[in-house]
Amino acid sequence: EVQLVESGGGLIQAGGSLRLSCAVSGFIVSSDYMSWVRQTPGKGLEWVSVIYTAGGTYYADSVKGRFTISRDNFKNMVYLQMNSLRAEDTAIYYCARGPSRGMDVWGQGTTVTVSS
Amino acid sequence: DIQMTQSPSTLSASVGDRVTVTCRASQSIGNWVAWYQQKPGTAPKLLIYAASSLESGVPPRFSGGGSGTEFTLTISSLQPDDFATYYCQQYNAYSYTFGQGTKLEFK
Repeated sequence: EVQLVESGGGLIQAGGSLRLSCAVSGFIVSSDYMSWVRQTPGKGLEWVSVIYTAGGTYYADSVKGRFTISRDNFKNMVYLQMNSLRAEDTAIYYCARGPSRGMDVWGQGTTVTVSS
Repeated sequence: DIQMTQSPSTLSASVGDRVTVTCRASQSIGNWVAWYQQKPGTAPKLLIYAASSLESGVPPRFSGGGSGTEFTLTISSLQPDDFATYYCQQYNAYSYTFGQGTKLEFK
């Protein structure tokens, strides 16, 4: 079964760091694009970062220089290292497969709360 | 960055109605558009990719159209399970921006 399971969210003070993890099952993590998408409470969706099959990465301007996406092909995991966290980073963070043909598989999300 | 302007923000409709949601891109993006449905407390679900391709398992009452800068999501006959929030997303070029969302509610 194709599945994504996020972990690592929590309550953190502004300026702190957190690493989110996404456990991938049912497919090989390096075989497709993998993204992180966030959603602030009651608001819309914001794409955060992507890692491509060849390993290239891109980031939304709002997180560039502070967040780093990576993957571990042996563990079949994707990560999001978040540094210098701000109150506006408070959101539910989703791991998703894609968007080579849309984002077709999503995790259940993990909540990050940054206190100022 | 490419902006996606989605309208309307709220749509009131009844079971059996035909409804259309529109997304306009700030520049031409070919057919690199996806549509998602999201219900409260759950992750988004992919409905349509490549502007008009129906994702496996999605009912055929959902359809997508358009190319270039204007795109539509149409539900041909609303069912009770369809009342949710819908988002478009462009994936022509990073960053992969979403529209602001359309909340479909009971009239």
